[in-house]
This record gives sequence, C-alpha cells and structure tokens, in this order.
Amino acid sequence: NAGVTQTPKFRILKIGQSMTLQCAQDMNHNYMYWYRQDPGMGLKLIYYSVGAGITDKGEVPNGYNVSRSTTEYFPLRLELAAPSQTSVYFCASSYLSSGNTIYFGEGSWLTVV
Amino acid sequence: GENVEQHPSTLSVQEGDSAVIKCTYSDSASNYFPWYKQELGKGPQLIIDIRSNVGEKKDQRIAVTLNKTAKHFSLHITETQPEDSAVYFCAASISRRYSGAGSYQLTFGKGTKLSVIP
Repeated sequence: NAGVTQTPKFRILKIGQSMTLQCAQDMNHNYMYWYRQDPGMGLKLIYYSVGAGITDKGEVPNGYNVSRSTTEYFPLRLELAAPSQTSVYFCASSYLSSGNTIYFGEGSWLTVV
Repeated sequence: GENVEQHPSTLSVQEGDSAVIKCTYSDSASNYFPWYKQELGKGPQLIIDIRSNVGEKKDQRIAVTLNKTAKHFSLHITETQPEDSAVYFCAASISRRYSGAGSYQLTFGKGTKLSVIP
C-alpha cells in the first residue's frame, strides 16, 4: 500500500491563478480530509468527505473547492489564489469506524506570490 | 466548537530525561484524543491515542493520561532519544453524524517542538 499520496510536493502560484492539489489513497478508506498547516498554528480542516459524492466544509473552506467522485481520489481546488493561501496542505484519510485513525499524506508546499 | 490548547510550544530535554506535553480541551462531549508526531518535511503520524473510557494508556516509552473531569490530557515520553525530536500535536474529536453515518472531526492543538539534546 502506498497510503495517502499527494501531488505536487511543491508549487509556486501567482496571485489569481488556479490549481488543483491531487490526493489519492489506496486503503479503501471512507473518509478523506484536507488540512492546511500554517507555522505555529496547528492543522485546520478545510473540507472533508464521508464517501464518494459527499463533501462538507470544515473550519476554513473559503477559497477552496473539493470533489469526491470515487473512494480513492479527493482533489482540492484553489480558485483565484491569494497570498493568504500560502501554506502546507495535507490530505488524509480514515476508516468510518475502528478508532478512526487518520493517515496523512506527505504534504504539498504551496507559495502564492 | 471545540478548542484545544497545547503547552509548551517548545521543549528541550537532555537525552534520557522525560518529556511531558499537556493539552486541554473545551467540549466535554469530546471522546477521542490522539497524539501525532510530525518529523521535518513529513506528514503527521499517529503515535498513540486514548478514548474517554480509559484514564491511561502506555506503549513502550510513550504514555498518555486523560482527566475528563478537568478536560485535560498529557503525553509522557520517557528515556528520550534524539530520534524523538519532532513536533507533537494533540487533538480532540467529537463524534458527529452526517447522512446517518458517524464522523470524527479532529481539532488540533498548535503543536510542541520537542528537541532532545544528545
């Protein structure tokens, strides 16, 4: 199992550009999540999904969109990138039950200039 | 919503000494408390967790204690080693229901940077 795979690892965007962060998991997990991590601020939940076709907002959803057409993939879309979206983004997944251990990807470093 | 406070933000210990990181949470309905370790350039990785029906849990050199009355929980690392150096995050979650299914959404503390000095 590869676990949770994120691409790209690093990206520099110009203000106003759009991009999609890709996320895939091969553990057949129901739940998938997108977090952002800012220095000294812990992790904040952007969006999550409880299964294919179902998504919901987390704590900081503004400026982002997600889709979940299959169990495996959960891309995060940034529209009209802003400097405030400079951050490290983590995709994660978990089972519905059995302790709900969350497994994180390696992260995507995004800089908006 | 839930609020998790974590202290200290940085912690330096000598190799072999113990390290303690403390967290408090605000919502008494929280029932799951995991701890994550994040090494430089990596994603967080679960190292231990505890549920509200248990007061203490141990796994080799790592232990977690939970005081539900006071709404705080702590991570204890004994006989620290240089490879324990990392950022540690506590988290708390409340079971939520969405479309009839159970859901755990984690609220994280801001992290503790642990440095173990050889």
